[in-house]
Amino acid sequence: GENVEQHPSTLSVQEGDSAVIKCTYSDSASNYFPWYKQELGKGPQLIIDIRSNVGEKKDQRIAVTLNKTAKHFSLHITETQPEDSAVYFCAAITRMDSSYKLIFGSGTRLLVRP
Amino acid sequence: GAVVSQHPSRVICKSGTSVKIECRSLDFQATTMFWYRQFPKQSLMLMATSNEGSKATYEQGVEKDKFLINHASLTLSTLTVTSAHPEDSSFYICSAPLGSLHTEAFFGQGTRLTVV
Repeated sequence: GENVEQHPSTLSVQEGDSAVIKCTYSDSASNYFPWYKQELGKGPQLIIDIRSNVGEKKDQRIAVTLNKTAKHFSLHITETQPEDSAVYFCAAITRMDSSYKLIFGSGTRLLVRP
Repeated sequence: GAVVSQHPSRVICKSGTSVKIECRSLDFQATTMFWYRQFPKQSLMLMATSNEGSKATYEQGVEKDKFLINHASLTLSTLTVTSAHPEDSSFYICSAPLGSLHTEAFFGQGTRLTVV
């Protein structure tokens, strides 16, 4: 089955700097890779996603890149702000017969220092 | 964006009682919903897939009789923790997929269950 590894587990950056979180997956058939932001005591919020037919996607300060050959994808946050502080999860979709499920990485706790 | 509403956000119950958590898709229909459990500072662990009009599919190691799932309509799935014990205390989160490929998943706000 699919296995998703995420690094680093914690990341501390100065406000205004960039933050990069990396994930690898094992199932070459996976074709959808979302990223979620989770604030304390709340459910995960989808912030960006990418499908396997593109290599990069950008939405304002957030971008995601995908390398299908190497089976890894990354989240890039530029010009970080204190409100970006949260736990970020990557995920990959795996299909089983007619159903599917998301497999999550272990999470990255991002701290943006003012 | 799509909205998934989960209720209650917090619940405290006594050992031995049952607790029901509701998950609603507010502006779209969801034939499938997912229930997750999250321990402090850990990732989301899929418990079961809720299927409208049929039995839920449970992940390995999840007790079916302990965590009852009902998906009676296209907008509502419920998770009932039966005969709750302190070790069932956790953060429970539901999600529902949206989109033509049913891959974009939107999550509820989560339910913090504390069993005393």
